[in-house]
Amino acid sequence: DVKVTQSSRYLVKRTGEKVFLECVQDMDHENMFWYRQDPGLGLRLIYFSYDVKMKEKGDIPEGYSVSREKKERFSLILESASTNQTSMYLCASSFPSGWYNEQFFGPGTRLTVL
Amino acid sequence: KQEVTQIPAALSVPEGENLVLNCSFTDSAIYNLQWFRQDPGKGLTSLLLIQSSQREQTSGRLNASLDKSSGRSTLYIAASQPGDSATYLCAVAGNAGKSTFGDGTTLTVKP
Repeated sequence: DVKVTQSSRYLVKRTGEKVFLECVQDMDHENMFWYRQDPGLGLRLIYFSYDVKMKEKGDIPEGYSVSREKKERFSLILESASTNQTSMYLCASSFPSGWYNEQFFGPGTRLTVL
Repeated sequence: KQEVTQIPAALSVPEGENLVLNCSFTDSAIYNLQWFRQDPGKGLTSLLLIQSSQREQTSGRLNASLDKSSGRSTLYIAASQPGDSATYLCAVAGNAGKSTFGDGTTLTVKP
């Protein structure tokens, strides 16, 4: 079974802190994604990566950056956390684009910025 | 830009009932459509994936259909159980492996 793990289930940070969210997948997937999920707004794509050291902006990249130094690991970085970044963050992975790219999700990280 | 709509937003049914959840999308140029289940405070669990060339997929009590030309998919749940209570989301995949998600239907199955 595909396993996608995220470094923390719950995280509380202060405004202005630098925050790292880590995601690891064990299925040798090329694609990895970071989403945030907010009530009334659904899932929104922040960044995705289709290969090591490759990244592409999603719909809401402002205030975030990402790092993918190894195929299995995709990190989301909040350079200076703000209260409007309080959210549920979900990581996902899939095979390369095309007719078969089933996405598998991690358990999520509930981030609160005070 | 792809838009995905799920109706109804919430549904409450008695245990044992068969039910249908709906998903519609605006751009029929999709690679696949995926149905997920999400329990409160948890991540998404993949239920079924339908390729663009397929019409339906089945897994246990779940059956998902896809009509690309009309931009619609349905998720049929047979003999519903209280354990089926969750939010169900559909997602359509376009090029570059990116997906667009609906807002979900929250299902409550009453004992």
